[in-house]
Amino acid sequence: DSGVTQTPKHLITATGQRVTLRCSPRSGDLSVYWYQQSLDQGLQFLIQYYNGEERAKGNILERFSAQQFPDLHSELNLSSLELGDSALYFCASSVELGYSEAFFGQGTRLTVV
Amino acid sequence: AQTVTQSQPEMSVQEAETVTLSCTYDTSESDYYLFWYKQPPSRQMILVIRQEAYKQQNATENRFSVNFQKAAKSFSLKISDSQLGDAAMYFCAYRSAYLDSNYQLIWGAGTKLIIKP
Repeated sequence: DSGVTQTPKHLITATGQRVTLRCSPRSGDLSVYWYQQSLDQGLQFLIQYYNGEERAKGNILERFSAQQFPDLHSELNLSSLELGDSALYFCASSVELGYSEAFFGQGTRLTVV
Repeated sequence: AQTVTQSQPEMSVQEAETVTLSCTYDTSESDYYLFWYKQPPSRQMILVIRQEAYKQQNATENRFSVNFQKAAKSFSLKISDSQLGDAAMYFCAYRSAYLDSNYQLIWGAGTKLIIKP
């Protein structure tokens, strides 16, 4: 158990819908990362938060947004869902910005039908 | 931009034997970290081993060791005494160590490791 908790584990929804994925980082970790793992594009960095502030953006679509709350949990919001958004979404956390090791949650498997 | 390449989509090895997974990367940076992650069927992304670029000594973790060749930009993973539980996807990943970077992990495409009993 990495200490990073992601909910839900599985999500099935229809095209055009909106979903929220939740991540609770390890106790004491200030930095949260979101990654998308899809069959055609592999693992891609989406966005990073540090202590409540957005720190960096990767290949995140405009339909997607995220935030980190004062208690440090993070949510990834995906809207106007398309079939191609079906993927495994990972959250990872680390103690500090520059700390080399990030711990991953078990991921949320999103299926858009 | 940095890239990570894993040229072996799939590898198989007999139980108790040794297998080496290849990874090459491209970067203009001199300070970075390299990782091998394991993703079993449970989907959990598990850190196997980490190498700091400034360290010449190759990292080892029990049956797992790396061959880090900085000049050649090569970072291979050797698994000794392979066990059935080692069967998984293995991902090589790169992360910048510079303070002005975003610290994202840049991933290879993965190698599926099959262990034959």
